[in-house]
Amino acid sequence: EVQLVESGGGLVPPGGSVRLSCAASGFTLSAFWMSWVRQAPGKGLEWVANINQDGSAKHSIVSMKGRFTISRDNAKNSLYLEVNSLSVEDTAVYYCAREASSGLVSGYDNWGQGTLVTVSS
Amino acid sequence: QSVLTQAPSVSGAPGQRVTISCTGRRSNIGAGYDVHWYQQLPGTAPKLLFSGNNYRPSGVPERFSGSKSGTSASLDITRLQAEDEADYYCQCFDSSLSGPVFGGGTKLTVL
Repeated sequence: EVQLVESGGGLVPPGGSVRLSCAASGFTLSAFWMSWVRQAPGKGLEWVANINQDGSAKHSIVSMKGRFTISRDNAKNSLYLEVNSLSVEDTAVYYCAREASSGLVSGYDNWGQGTLVTVSS
Repeated sequence: QSVLTQAPSVSGAPGQRVTISCTGRRSNIGAGYDVHWYQQLPGTAPKLLFSGNNYRPSGVPERFSGSKSGTSASLDITRLQAEDEADYYCQCFDSSLSGPVFGGGTKLTVL
């Protein structure tokens, strides 16, 4: 059974940073593109970033001005997202998601349960 | 405001058919990129329902189907059931934004 389990969320002050993790099991992580998608409270879904199978190709949402860094460690079956210069607008549940095929045109066939990041003083 | 436009809400009685629409642009749906549909039950993560022209993940009932025409896409749900009450999102790649975009979501209420 495919499982994705996020961790690392919590209360973070404005201007701070957070590193989120996603532990993958039940499939070969190194065979899949992976993404992070976030959802602000009561709002819709927003793609944040993705990364290819070996980490050599990464994309992130342009409007985030480079504050998001995605990475992976296939040996540890893990995906990561580091977010810097946090603002209250970054408060959201952050989901890791497996891409059904390759690259930015793909859908997401498996999702974690999400980890909540709350930015507040 | 979302790049892909969805009606905020739709409703239907059990056994009826409902259609959820997703209106895009020439840079996304109109460019021929696949449209993906998700169901999000309250308090849970999204779940892939339908992708592209005809991909339905195993376990998803055939009552759910997707289609696309021009710059719009639709999700049809037939024989509506109480457990279908959820939020539904469309998603597509947008070439002008160089990334995937989601619709704002449609809340389905089963009367």
